[in-house]
Amino acid sequence: AAGVIQSPRHLIKEKRETATLKCYPIPRHDTVYWYQQGPGQDPQFLISFYEKMQSDKGSIPDRFSAQQFSDYHSELNMSSLELGDSALYFCASSRGTEGNTIYFGEGSWLTVV
Amino acid sequence: AQTVTQSQPEMSVQEAETVTLSCTYDTSENNYYLFWYKQPPSRQMILVIRQEAYKQQNATENRFSVNFQKAAKSFSLKISDSQLGDTAMYFCAFMIEGYSTLTFGKGTMLLVSP
Repeated sequence: AAGVIQSPRHLIKEKRETATLKCYPIPRHDTVYWYQQGPGQDPQFLISFYEKMQSDKGSIPDRFSAQQFSDYHSELNMSSLELGDSALYFCASSRGTEGNTIYFGEGSWLTVV
Repeated sequence: AQTVTQSQPEMSVQEAETVTLSCTYDTSENNYYLFWYKQPPSRQMILVIRQEAYKQQNATENRFSVNFQKAAKSFSLKISDSQLGDTAMYFCAFMIEGYSTLTFGKGTMLLVSP
């Protein structure tokens, strides 16, 4: 079965640079979520989109922005990167928003040096 | 605010044995969903099992089953016939009905040894 696809899987950026992560949800899933997992931490919710509109917002820094496109893929843009942004970034998707099971991608490793 | 507590940072079990991972949560909501996710060394987040709070029957998926005690706000995961591939970090997670975000516990690292 098709899963959530994330790219790139790994990237290294310098402080103050910009990074963009892409996410392709499972076919027919209309909701996309972004989570950040720091070293030794549990995943923290950043933001979600349903039908291309922002549906929920969590602990996403102002330096980060995201959107969902007409084909339902999503991009997370991170600017003015800081060392503390180094983490595993998960995209996840579901069909609908209420109580539906959320399926995660394999994650994108961001290292800021 | 909702909180999820996993009181066992690490657990170990031998192959073929049974192990139970604990999870408690705190909420004033009546309708919600509970999940167990598994994160192996590859760091992929894999859904193990899901439980709707309005269902009294405990969810089961092959070797994985839960003991859901709504009054006690407890949601433990039992793994039967443990396999080496079960070695992973296990996260308990909570979602309020009407919302779409997961709140995770801190995780329990399970090591299955031969």
